[in-house]
Amino acid sequence: SYVLTQPPSVSVAPGKTARITCGGNNIGTKSVHWSQQKPGQAPVLVVYSDTDRPSGIPERFSGSNSGNTATLTISRVEAADEADYYCQVWDSTSDHRGVVFGGGTKLTVL
Amino acid sequence: QVQLQESGPGLVRPSETLSLTCAVSGDSISSDYYWDWIRQPPGKGLEWIGSIYHHSGSSFYNPSLKSRLTISIDTSRNQFSLNLSSVSASDTAVYYCARGSGAATGNYFEYWGQGTLVTVSS
Repeated sequence: SYVLTQPPSVSVAPGKTARITCGGNNIGTKSVHWSQQKPGQAPVLVVYSDTDRPSGIPERFSGSNSGNTATLTISRVEAADEADYYCQVWDSTSDHRGVVFGGGTKLTVL
Repeated sequence: QVQLQESGPGLVRPSETLSLTCAVSGDSISSDYYWDWIRQPPGKGLEWIGSIYHHSGSSFYNPSLKSRLTISIDTSRNQFSLNLSSVSASDTAVYYCARGSGAATGNYFEYWGQGTLVTVSS
């Protein structure tokens, strides 16, 4: 089955840029989505289809996807961005079809 | 505004069946979207459970759960349901329902329920 690999944690100072990676075999051929989850809350979609943002999500959140790595970039990081971030794809290459989530990355704002 | 609300028992005995329902408002369960279940064990990451698509009658299940899992739709009540049989402590999790965009767009989740904690214990 398809596997998505995320770093367990990323730390960044306020005002700096955070980059969270999501690795997968030829992930550049898939559509990658990113969700943010704060403690005790349901996840919130922040980037979909590699680079698009839902309405209400700040432009500081952006995405890219190429080769074997997709990246969520958060510019001018704020304390409120501290959360867990999950990447996901729809896998139709193996013998089953379905959603695959990465293991999640905890973003700490120093 | 699309809203989803999970409901069901918060405690299930081992070996029994976990049953949850997701009530949908602001959209029709018959619309051109997938309807999904996702769970999150305490302190762990998200795990996709499965999807159902009313238009084609198709359902897609996580292979690790497929033998115990049924997802169904009730169009008269505009809701969909999850049944997971023969549960054990490892099925303890917060269960979320969500609206999926569909396979053609990678099935992202723009709308989620608030989640409901289900504990498996005797």
